[in-house]
Amino acid sequence: AQKVTQAQTEISVVEKEDVTLDCVYETRDTTYYLFWYKQPPSGELVFLIRRNSFDEQNEISGRYSWNFQKSTSSFNFTITASQVVDSAVYFCALSEAGTGRRALTFGSGTRLQVQP
Amino acid sequence: DTGVSQDPRHKITKRGQNVTFRCDPISEHNRLYWYRQTLGQGPEFLTYFQNEAQLEKSRLLSDRFSAERPKGSFSTLEIQRTEQGDSAMYLCASSSSLAGIRTDTQYFGPGTRLTVL
Repeated sequence: AQKVTQAQTEISVVEKEDVTLDCVYETRDTTYYLFWYKQPPSGELVFLIRRNSFDEQNEISGRYSWNFQKSTSSFNFTITASQVVDSAVYFCALSEAGTGRRALTFGSGTRLQVQP
Repeated sequence: DTGVSQDPRHKITKRGQNVTFRCDPISEHNRLYWYRQTLGQGPEFLTYFQNEAQLEKSRLLSDRFSAERPKGSFSTLEIQRTEQGDSAMYLCASSSSLAGIRTDTQYFGPGTRLTVL
């Protein structure tokens, strides 16, 4: 069965620090997708990125970057020069495309607090 | 672009009452999903529709829960005989099955927060 583990429950940093959020996943499927979502205090889940299992290229989008490593089943998320607006709960999620299932399996989330 | 909308945003009910929530997906999306999120946890999958067909249901969806998507557009989630354990945020998401970069990326609505007294 699929599983997503976010071992960091809460992280607190000071503005302008870099921070990395860890995500480790388990799946028997060879074709799957990995996602990161942001949930600010308002509550709405905001899509950040999707990665296919066959594409291990790292991705950078502004201050955000993602490191996907199949060898360690990890999909880590780094925020460079963090800002107060980055304060939120971040969720990593997995869907198993090969099985035809569409459900997302989420981790338990990492709460990031960025202090001014 | 209009995102996913949900109504109501908040619902307070007494134990034993029935409640119904509505979700309007992004207009061109043919897939619709329901999730439940309790405090401090990630969302948990409940059910999924492709057009009007309900294709997948989680074991979390007890027989007190029913979801419909009659015309393949909006969806409703009904909970009968609510229990205090049903208190949670109910999230709706939608996606498109059309080929492309964003195929099957799920976009979420603001959620309906249910409190059962």
